[in-house]
Amino acid sequence: AQKVTQAQTEISVVEKEDVTLDCVYETRDTTYYLFWYKQPPSGELVFLIRRNSFDEQNEISGRYSWNFQKSTSSFNFTITASQVVDSAVYFCALSYLSGSARQLTFGSGTQLTVLP
Amino acid sequence: DSGVTQTPKHLITATGQRVTLRCSPRSGDLSVYWYQQSLDQGLQFLIQYYNGEERAKGNILERFSAQQFPDLHSELNLSSLELGDSALYFCASSERQGNYNGELFFGEGSRLTVL
Repeated sequence: AQKVTQAQTEISVVEKEDVTLDCVYETRDTTYYLFWYKQPPSGELVFLIRRNSFDEQNEISGRYSWNFQKSTSSFNFTITASQVVDSAVYFCALSYLSGSARQLTFGSGTQLTVLP
Repeated sequence: DSGVTQTPKHLITATGQRVTLRCSPRSGDLSVYWYQQSLDQGLQFLIQYYNGEERAKGNILERFSAQQFPDLHSELNLSSLELGDSALYFCASSERQGNYNGELFFGEGSRLTVL
């Protein structure tokens, strides 16, 4: 089964704290892609990062960093020095091949609230 | 701006009615996906079209149908609407020929409210 689990439904932190959003995935595919999307209160889905299954290098982009570990099937997302504008729902997603079609399945999302 | 355009942005209608949601994919993208996001169900995949043909089906109700036209825009038709159909409907596109890497580009969504 292809599945993404985001066990943290809601997280609340105070501004400037670091916060890590967990993502665990299940797939039988050897080639797959993992994504993080942000959904601010306005509702649109904003792409944050894509990782393919052959690239386990961690990535840092400003205050954002991602830790991909195939051994534990996890793709965790850390925001350093959080800001109020980081408040949003964050989705982890898995892209896998289903027949001839590539599908994207989402986790249930983590609502992050950053308090001033 | 993802390049994917969805209309209308907001729609309010009554139970039993029928609505059509429209999606224009990014220029050059051949695949269109429809997702439904309701409060208690998260983001659910409904259906995918590739170059005019249905490619994959997810949790799409029989009351819902979709199609992709020769100009690659897509429409999602929702009929016999029920209160539970109230949701944000996203369209996404992907697969510019020879350049597909798993990423979907999402529109801003169409928010449907059924009263």
